[in-house]
Order: sequence, then C-alpha cells, then structure tokens
Amino acid sequence: NAGVTQTPKFQVLKTGQSMTLQCAQDMNHEYMSWYRQDPGMGLRLIHYSVGAGITDQGEVPNGYNVSRSTTEDFPLRLLSAAPSQTSVYFCASTEDGLETQYFGPGTRLLVL
Amino acid sequence: GENVEQHPSTLSVQEGDSAVIKCTYSDSASNYFPWYKQELGKRPQLIIDIRSNVGEKKDQRIAVTLNKTAKHFSLHITETQPEDSAVYFCAASSGGYQKVTFGTGTKLQVIP
Repeated sequence: NAGVTQTPKFQVLKTGQSMTLQCAQDMNHEYMSWYRQDPGMGLRLIHYSVGAGITDQGEVPNGYNVSRSTTEDFPLRLLSAAPSQTSVYFCASTEDGLETQYFGPGTRLLVL
Repeated sequence: GENVEQHPSTLSVQEGDSAVIKCTYSDSASNYFPWYKQELGKRPQLIIDIRSNVGEKKDQRIAVTLNKTAKHFSLHITETQPEDSAVYFCAASSGGYQKVTFGTGTKLQVIP
C-alpha cells in the first residue's frame, strides 16, 4: 500500500493564481482531512470529509474548496491564492475519528 | 467546539532524563486522545493514544495519562534519547465523524 500520497511536494504561486493540491489514499478510509501547518500554530483543520459526497468545514476554511467524488481522492482547491496561504499542507485519512490518522508527506506552498 | 491547549511549547532535556508534555481539552464529550510525533521535514505519525475508559497506557519508554475529571492528559517519555528530538502534538476527538482538534505542539530537544 502507498498509504496517503500528495502532489505536488512544493509549489510557488503568484497572488491571485489558482491551483489544486491532490491527495489520494489506498486504505479505503472513509474519513479524510486537510490541515495547514504554520510555525507555532500546530495543525489547523481546513476541511474534512466523512465519505464520498460529504464534506464539512474545519477551523480555517476560508479561501479553500474541497470535493469528494470518490473514496480515494480528496483534492483541495485554492481559488485565488493569497500570501496568507503560504504554509505546509497535510492531507490525512483514517477509518473514523477514533482511530489513527495517517498523514501524507505534505505540500509546501509559497504564495508571492 | 473543542479547544486543546498544549504546554510547554519548547522543552530541552538532557539525554537520559524524562520529559513531560501536558494538554488540556474543553469538550467533555471527547473520548479519544492521540499523540503524534513529527520529525523535522517529515509528516506527523502516531506514537501512542488513549481512550476515555483508560487512565494510563504505556509503550516501552512512552506513557500517556488521562484525567477526565480535570480534562487533561499528558505524555511522558523516560530515558530520553537524541532520536526523541521532534515536535509532539496532542489531539482530542469525540469520535464517530467528529473532527480531531490538535494542540499547538511541543518542540522537544534532547541534548546529548
């Protein structure tokens, strides 16, 4: 099993550009999440999904969209990038909220 | 919603000494408390977790204690080694499909 994979590993964007961060898992987990990690702020939940077709907002959802058309994939979209979105983004999956979360390797995003 | 506070933010110990990291939570419905270790440039990985029906759990040099009445839980690392140097995150969840809330992290440095 590949576990949780994320692409790209690193991305530079200009303010106002859009992009999609990809996340996929092959463990048949229903629950997937997106976090951003900033220095001194820990892991903050952006959006999460409890199954295909079901998504909900986390702590910091503004500026981000998600969709969950399949169990395996959970892409994160930045519609109009801002410098405040410079961060490291982690995708995670788990069987449910009471079990281990498996994190992807992360995507480092720099918005100029 | 749930709020998780974690202390200290940084911790330096001599090799062989013990390290203790403490977290408090606000939601009395939380019943799952995992701890994740994140090495520099890597993804967070689960090291130990505890559920609300248990007061203490040990795994070799690592232990976690839970006090549901006071709403706090702690990570104890004994006989610390340089490879224990990392950022440690606590988290809390009420399970099912509720979101997992993370603390802000503790940077542990073990001095050889």
